[in-house]
Parts: sequence; C-alpha cells; structure tokens
Amino acid sequence: QQQVKQSPQSLIVQKGGISIINCAYENTAFDYFPWYQQFPGKGPALLIAIRPDVSEKKEGRFTISFNKSAKQFSLHIMDSQPGDSATYFCAANDYKLSFGAGTTVTVRA
Amino acid sequence: NAGVMQNPRHLVRRRGQEARLRCSPMKGHSHVYWYRQLPEEGLKFMVYLQKENIIDESGMPKERFSAEFPKEGPSILRIQQVVRGDSAAYFCASSPPGTGAQPQHFGDGTRLSIL
Repeated sequence: QQQVKQSPQSLIVQKGGISIINCAYENTAFDYFPWYQQFPGKGPALLIAIRPDVSEKKEGRFTISFNKSAKQFSLHIMDSQPGDSATYFCAANDYKLSFGAGTTVTVRA
Repeated sequence: NAGVMQNPRHLVRRRGQEARLRCSPMKGHSHVYWYRQLPEEGLKFMVYLQKENIIDESGMPKERFSAEFPKEGPSILRIQQVVRGDSAAYFCASSPPGTGAQPQHFGDGTRLSIL
C-alpha cells in the first residue's frame, strides 16, 4: 500500500504564482522527509529536505512546511518560473525511501 | 566530483535474455539503493546494499532478480529471463554512512525495454 499520499496529481500555475503540493504519511518511524524534482529522461534530484523536529525549512524559492502531529508536510514553490515545470515527488525515509505518486507542475509563461 | 553513475542509460533485451544494470555511487558513499519506476508511476524501493552485504531486499521480486555490491567495482542489478513487465526505468541512489536517515542522491537511471 502507498505509505505516502501526495496531492494533487497535477497543477498548472502562472509564472510568478505559488505552487503548493501536499503529502501525508502514516509510519511514525519516518525521520527524514525529502522532496525530489524530476525532469523527463533524468533521475530525481534532491531539492530540499526536512527532519521532524523542524516545522519549516526554506531554501531560496522552495519552502517545506511540516506538521508532525497531523503527519503532513507540504512544498511551496514561490515565484514559480517556467524552468520549474517538472514532476515533484515527496518522500519519507526510515533508511529507505517511500515515495508519493508525484505531482506534475506546469508553469505557464 | 562525479555524481551517481549508471550504465547503460538505455538497454534493450528480448524476452528470456538477461539484463545487467550497473551503478557507481558518489565518492565517499558506501550505501546503495535500487528503485524501479514504472511508466506513469512513482518510484518503488527494491533493495538496499552496503559493501558486500544485502541489508534489505524486501522490495525485490523473489525470482529472477538479484543485486550485489562487491568490495571492488560497481553495484550490479541483475534480471534473469526478462519478461515484458520488467520494462521500466531503474534508478540507483547512494548515501553516505551515518546515524539516522541520510540524503540519497540518484543517478539518471537505466531505461530497460523488453521486446
């Protein structure tokens, strides 16, 4: 069964807008929550990650919000750019990664 | 500073043949993971290896699939007697040693096509 649930499946945002992707998990043994960005024909690239003792982490235009009690975390992409058009995967790690199903983000110029 | 290197990038096999996929981890990384990505799906864990040891192979099919990470050389994922359902992208990731979960970095994968 899917250990990490990710939504939405796809989203379209205008250039300069905010993209928001949500994930939820059940297994409390997970202790590391990375987000990966994948372009067609390439491998997943580590974008940003958070550990459960932190509620928010920001790196440039990318922010992770983490709610330990709700077992939910989300990725916000601020000032979205056409180059951000890609598939984004959330994941949860207890030494091996359990991935969400992915969100295809399209940024319209 | 090379990242995770996988080869070949594309591999075509006929049903019944063997497929060998190679992965060289990042420098300093001693942990290797293999994941499979079926079309329009997310990535699924297959196996976790350290040098000369299989730590967790719970995601690997019981038959026809095997993996190794020898003392010298790359990690190898081997699929014997391939079938059409084995067509997928196979990704290798590596991580450094350390306490607790460590960031995993991925290669660009091997796209396996079965004729």
